[in-house]
Amino acid sequence: DAMVIQNPRYQVTQFGKPVTLSCSQTLNHNVMYWYQQKSSQAPKLLFHYYDKDFNNEADTPDNFQSRRPNTSFCFLDIRSPGLGDAAMYLCATSREVKGVTQYFGPGTRLLVL
Amino acid sequence: DAKTTQPNSMESNEEEPVHLPCNHSTISGTDYIHWYRQLPSQGPEYVIHGLTSNVNNRMASLAIAEDRKSSTLILHRATLRDAAVYYCILRDVSGGTSYGKLTFGQGTILTVHP
Repeated sequence: DAMVIQNPRYQVTQFGKPVTLSCSQTLNHNVMYWYQQKSSQAPKLLFHYYDKDFNNEADTPDNFQSRRPNTSFCFLDIRSPGLGDAAMYLCATSREVKGVTQYFGPGTRLLVL
Repeated sequence: DAKTTQPNSMESNEEEPVHLPCNHSTISGTDYIHWYRQLPSQGPEYVIHGLTSNVNNRMASLAIAEDRKSSTLILHRATLRDAAVYYCILRDVSGGTSYGKLTFGQGTILTVHP
């Protein structure tokens, strides 16, 4: 009964080669978030969607983009990955923006060669 | 965003209670205190939250100081499965630019010994 699903769990890409990470949810939540977590650091919010409305964090690099084609799916696109983008990418959902609980997926670990 | 301060690490023995402290001296009246934990190789999971009163759920208890400048997450009987990074987060739900987002600090690494 997985609620927030991220595929793949591990992704290897080459320096500068665009890569897309996927997230889907079975909770029918309005809000979907993407976080970046580098090794031994805390998760950092990149952006979120409230329904179709995209909200970018001020310090998220332009290299990171997102798409949400429908309620269930959200994608993270990294246009030109650099070595510094190697990290765990976490997707989360909540019923509302001010919803009490965010539900996280298991994450996709990105390796950039 | 109001900041929290937690010890970098703590250790416990299995079956014993664990008290994880969090200081948040600049907390505002509209900040809720949230705790999430992150088990190894997993995404964070919600543990508990509160505003002013102490809270209990099936996972843990949250004790909030009367002045709200500190709180303590209590695991009543630690198990090996409780070994994780525990994050204490202040969440403003009053509106405005913070819109209730979660800003993770460094957290406390809890080690549980058999």
